[in-house]
Amino acid sequence: GNSVTQMEGPVTLSEEAFLTINCTYTATGYPSLFWYVQYPGEGLQLLLKATKADDKGSNKGFEATYRKETTSFHLEKGSVQVSDSAVYFCALILFSGGYNKLIFGAGTRLAVHP
Amino acid sequence: DTGVSQDPRHKITKRGQNVTFRCDPISEHNRLYWYRQTLGQGPEFLTYFQNEAQLETSRLLSDRFSAERPKGSFSTLEIQRTEQGDSAMYLCASSTRLSGANVLTFGAGSRLTVL
Repeated sequence: GNSVTQMEGPVTLSEEAFLTINCTYTATGYPSLFWYVQYPGEGLQLLLKATKADDKGSNKGFEATYRKETTSFHLEKGSVQVSDSAVYFCALILFSGGYNKLIFGAGTRLAVHP
Repeated sequence: DTGVSQDPRHKITKRGQNVTFRCDPISEHNRLYWYRQTLGQGPEFLTYFQNEAQLETSRLLSDRFSAERPKGSFSTLEIQRTEQGDSAMYLCASSTRLSGANVLTFGAGSRLTVL
């Protein structure tokens, strides 16, 4: 079936550390890939996306590259800030019956300390 | 554009009671989705509307759950005879093909606690 697997959290880092959150997927066809972020008390927000192989999505210093050969979409940031503390969800989207259905991973909680 | 609004934000109820959640999507979005998120898990798809038509419902949705979108604008999700296992965050999202159908805008969610 179609699924997304993320590294388990929590991930705890000091400010300015390098961040990697691993994400791999299983899908029929060629999905689009996303990272959503959920800050405490808020809804899910789109962080970045990539729609085809070798595309790189980027936003707010975060990057992820769509790797078809390894079915991966790892999230990276070179220098995290305390304000990046949140839960990060990797997701894929498939066209199903003429519409789009998002399938999420379980989420990875990031805690950044000063 | 005030984004996707959900009401109430929190609901505490006793087992066996009925609850209803409301979602107001972004006004020009014709597609509306309901998801459920339990603690420590990612959101799971429940149901999808295009305009007023409910086009798909997940097998996760038991017959105690019903969703409507009568005029193609706001939507309601009703849970009858609630059970403790229904405790979760219920998320609504909307999108439109014109602004990029792949991008769903989520509301802040309605958290349900069943005692």
